Amino acid sequence: AQSVTQPDIHITVSEGASLELRCNYSYGATPYLFWYVQSPGQGLQLLLKYFSGDTLVQGIKGFEAEFKRSQSSFNLRKPSVHWSDAAEYFCAVGAKGIYSTLTFGKGTMLLVSP
Amino acid sequence: SQTIHQWPATLVQPVGSPLSLECTVEGTSNPNLYWYRQAAGRGLQLLFYSVGIGQISSEVPQNLSASRPQDRQFILSSKKLLLSDSGFYLCAWDRGGISYEQYFGPGTRLTVT
Repeated sequence: AQSVTQPDIHITVSEGASLELRCNYSYGATPYLFWYVQSPGQGLQLLLKYFSGDTLVQGIKGFEAEFKRSQSSFNLRKPSVHWSDAAEYFCAVGAKGIYSTLTFGKGTMLLVSP
Repeated sequence: SQTIHQWPATLVQPVGSPLSLECTVEGTSNPNLYWYRQAAGRGLQLLFYSVGIGQISSEVPQNLSASRPQDRQFILSSKKLLLSDSGFYLCAWDRGGISYEQYFGPGTRLTVT
């Protein structure tokens, strides 16, 4: 069975500073990987996804993530954080090649300080 | 384009009362449909999923049930609510087949008093 670990429950970043949110997954084969963002009281919005090919994927709102098979990681990055990026971020993994439900991490809450 | 609707947006119900939350998807056919619950600090808990009309899989035993009476309609129900049923309920869909990204509805905030 697959699993996802987001080791940071909360992260505070100054506006304009760079951001990296960590995600580690456990899955025996090549996974599908996703990052979602959730603003308070709203549903989840897909930021980016990795299926295959280039291990550096670009998403919406200036986010990118890098798949590193050797480290079983899919960390989310942004070079300069804006106050509107404050939200909760979820990493998710799906099984490639067969039907399965997605497994989500417990989320990382991003706080942006002025 | 595809859209997903959930209603109601908020709901306050007494313990022991019934529940019905509805989710509909527009602009696609034969989607997989999902119900999740979020409790504070606990991330997303998958409750039910459906790969077709009348096909429901339950992930967590509880006093909730789900039904899919039409291709793009997914309903979450309970006969008697518990305090522990409070939370934020999210419906999601994907295109079906092997794993694709899921798209989420706006959610329903349920408070059981």
